[in-house]
Amino acid sequence: EAGVAQSPRYKIIEKRQSVAFWCNPISGHATLYWYQQILGQGPKLLIQFQNNGVVDDSQLPKDRFSAERLKGVDSTLKIQPAKLEDSAVYLCASSSGQWGLAGVSGANVLTFGAGSRLTVL
Amino acid sequence: AQRVTQPEKLLSVFKGAPVELKCNYSYSGSPELFWYVQYSRQRLQLLLRHISRESIKGFTADLNKGETSFHLKKPFAQEEDSAMYYCALSSNTDKLIFGTGTRLQVFP
Repeated sequence: EAGVAQSPRYKIIEKRQSVAFWCNPISGHATLYWYQQILGQGPKLLIQFQNNGVVDDSQLPKDRFSAERLKGVDSTLKIQPAKLEDSAVYLCASSSGQWGLAGVSGANVLTFGAGSRLTVL
Repeated sequence: AQRVTQPEKLLSVFKGAPVELKCNYSYSGSPELFWYVQYSRQRLQLLLRHISRESIKGFTADLNKGETSFHLKKPFAQEEDSAMYYCALSSNTDKLIFGTGTRLQVFP
């Protein structure tokens, strides 16, 4: 099966500019995640979608970050305006699991994309 | 609060030596624990999950609820095991919380 696709792979912008990242999950995967991974740290969940609804966005800085998953397939993550501390790798992941069905085989097993590396100058 | 702690940033061993990467967690419910691995220039990928009780690439991990630990072990390290290893905990909403990771270096 095709993997999780992300673009762009690399992006360099100046602070206060905007940027958008795109993710195409594995076909049929209901749940999509965006993680932020700052250098030297583990991935931190920004937002979790199930189909086109938000399950968890408690750690998304909503004053500058936004994300959508129209039609329950592709997703975009936007940062506007960017700050220096937003420099990180943005990882998209998907899983076949459905919230509330954690016992289903495949639930909670995430497949990650290659990531989009953002540098804010 | 849900938390995953990996106390070692770097673990260096020689080929053939035993390896133990430590992971402790904090979670009030019934946890589901995972180990993810990222090899150089590759994507983050699942290594193993505790409910599967399987050995992958010679690695095993046992969930110890009394000590709230899920340490990853391998009796004889290989050079190709060199990678970043992340312990992760899944909540009841399928939210995956990662530790800060341990870099394993296996020297020839």
